[in-house]
Amino acid sequence: SAVISQKPSRDICQRGTSLTIQCQVDSQVTMMFWYRQQPGQSLTLIATANQGSEATYESGFVIDKFPISRPNLTFSTLTVSNMSPEDSSIYLCSVEGTSGTDTQYFGPGTRLTVL
Amino acid sequence: GQNIDQPTEMTATEGAIVQINCTYQTSGFNGLFWYQQHAGEAPTFLSYNVLDGLEEKGRFSSFLSRSKGYSYLLLKELQMKDSASYLCAVMTTDSWGKLQFGAGTQVVVTP
Repeated sequence: SAVISQKPSRDICQRGTSLTIQCQVDSQVTMMFWYRQQPGQSLTLIATANQGSEATYESGFVIDKFPISRPNLTFSTLTVSNMSPEDSSIYLCSVEGTSGTDTQYFGPGTRLTVL
Repeated sequence: GQNIDQPTEMTATEGAIVQINCTYQTSGFNGLFWYQQHAGEAPTFLSYNVLDGLEEKGRFSSFLSRSKGYSYLLLKELQMKDSASYLCAVMTTDSWGKLQFGAGTQVVVTP
């Protein structure tokens, strides 16, 4: 499985500000995904980060609120823009495995609290 | 629409067996995954089923019946460290690579 790191691991932010979360993988991967896990909830897919093109967003998520970059095959960022307390959540990146089974592995997550 | 159902919580004693069921109704099917998530941590991959039948990995086994839209995760010889949330997730053919998660089953192991 790939080794995935995320920065920051946690942050406390003020309403109206923005935070950029980084996801780094130790090997080149085609597919990278960003998920959100709100308190006490399961995971919801935000978007697929595509290398060299715009991210593909799921219903209910838009680029203006969650801009994503994917400059190469080992790195991606997710920005949470103009934050409100409702954005308090854990944000996780995931990547496909290399074993050919479509398995996805998750980064350690970024715990965001918006005051 | 897509629907993935699993029980909210299950309690079992140390050394026992627990079976977590997951039923799904999705547009197309390309595999079912089970993840374990301890409080405050990221999900950890446990198993992947794409064909009918049982996959065994040590104390954990996962079963799939595609015709019934049904899977279960079997945890044997329960240990206290198995107390966690267990997430069922489906990959559909119209959303390659993307996982749709159930709400998770909180397993509590008691002494």
